[in-house]
Amino acid sequence: ETGVTQTPRHLVMGMTNKKSLKCEQHLGHNAMYWYKQSAKKPLELMFVYNFKEQTENNSVPSRFSPECPNSSHLFLHLHTLQPEDSALYLCASSQDSQGVYGYTFGSGTRLTVV
Amino acid sequence: GDSVTQMEGPVTLSEEAFLTINCTYTATGYPSLFWYVQYPGEGLQLLLKATKADDKGSNKGFEATYRKETTSFHLEKGSVQVSDSAVYFCALLIQGAQKLVFGQGTRLTINP
Repeated sequence: ETGVTQTPRHLVMGMTNKKSLKCEQHLGHNAMYWYKQSAKKPLELMFVYNFKEQTENNSVPSRFSPECPNSSHLFLHLHTLQPEDSALYLCASSQDSQGVYGYTFGSGTRLTVV
Repeated sequence: GDSVTQMEGPVTLSEEAFLTINCTYTATGYPSLFWYVQYPGEGLQLLLKATKADDKGSNKGFEATYRKETTSFHLEKGSVQVSDSAVYFCALLIQGAQKLVFGQGTRLTINP
């Protein structure tokens, strides 16, 4: 148990589906992040939330829609995805947006778009 | 921009061998540096960190020293075990930038 829980662990969806990824942390952290991990590419930061407010959107296509209802929960809503969006989506949290103590990562959601 | 470059993998070693995974960085400010490890089927775990020049981070027998003059943060372990097989990521964090920048990862396989 890493302290950051992601569900589901695996997801297969069609290009016309709508699904959501969930991330939950009870570490008392105030910053949360979505990263995308594709094969043979560095981890890509997608979104940053600090005290529930989005502070960074790293030019992510609008078919990915994040939601942060409180400091403990983070969602990634997916719709009309493309096969190239298949990847491991990692959620992370840190004590604050400076992150100097490091980030705590979840185990990820393995997404396959068919 | 800020970036991290790691040695190309995969790296395959025998048990009890000495390990070095090279990491160099480019940064406009004064970054904190990290090594993360990802075991199969899991997320990333923080392995060690260093926040200023000449600091040495260490954990589970792994060490890395923050070298400002060579902009490097190489990971070392004196005697690796099969259980060290994983993907290792070097990363930097610029104060105020609100994001951790990762290298491409190095896959390490240790054979018994």
